Amino acid sequence: ETGVTQTPRHLVMGMTNKKSLKCEQHLGHNAMYWYKQSAKKPLELMFVYSLEERVENNSVPSRFSPECPNSSHLFLHLHTLQPEDSALYLCASSQDMGPYGYTFGSGTRLTVV
Amino acid sequence: SQKIEQNSEALNIQEGKTATLTCNYTNYSPAYLQWYRQDPGRGPVFLLLIRENEKEKRKERLKVTFDTTLKQSLFHITASQPADSATYLCALPYTSGTYKYIFGTGTRLKVLA
Repeated sequence: ETGVTQTPRHLVMGMTNKKSLKCEQHLGHNAMYWYKQSAKKPLELMFVYSLEERVENNSVPSRFSPECPNSSHLFLHLHTLQPEDSALYLCASSQDMGPYGYTFGSGTRLTVV
Repeated sequence: SQKIEQNSEALNIQEGKTATLTCNYTNYSPAYLQWYRQDPGRGPVFLLLIRENEKEKRKERLKVTFDTTLKQSLFHITASQPADSATYLCALPYTSGTYKYIFGTGTRLKVLA
């Protein structure tokens, strides 16, 4: 384990379902991130939270809704997704929003059917 | 905004040799650059951060160089081992003055026994 835990590891959902991805870190980090990784494409930044406040929403469709209830937890709520949303969703944290390496979780492999 | 180019073709090398991977960027010169390792189905793992005033940085068998004139970073693994087989990603700040990263697509390295 890296210190960033993501659940579930795999998720299959229909286009009309509502589900949530969970991310937890106990590293004492102040910044948390959601990234999307599709096959043969670079990681795409989705959302950034710093000290529990959202500081970036990178033109992500409203069917993705993040939530950061405290500095240790981050959620990504999903509803009415499309098949093209199938991807590996990665959560990461860093000490602060500065020149620090990111600690990534193992990701949630999402398949939309 | 920044663009990153990494060789998308896989690099195969013989065990014991030095692997050299390239990261080129196209726009402004970042204050720092990072390298990550990613294994299939897992999140990236932070390896090294190098700042613009550090021409070279080492960590065990890893060495990273940063040439702001060429807009290029080289990542070297000396005495490579089959366990070094993975995809290696470089990451830079999106734009000057930000701490949000853009990632390259990565180069897949395979070390042959």
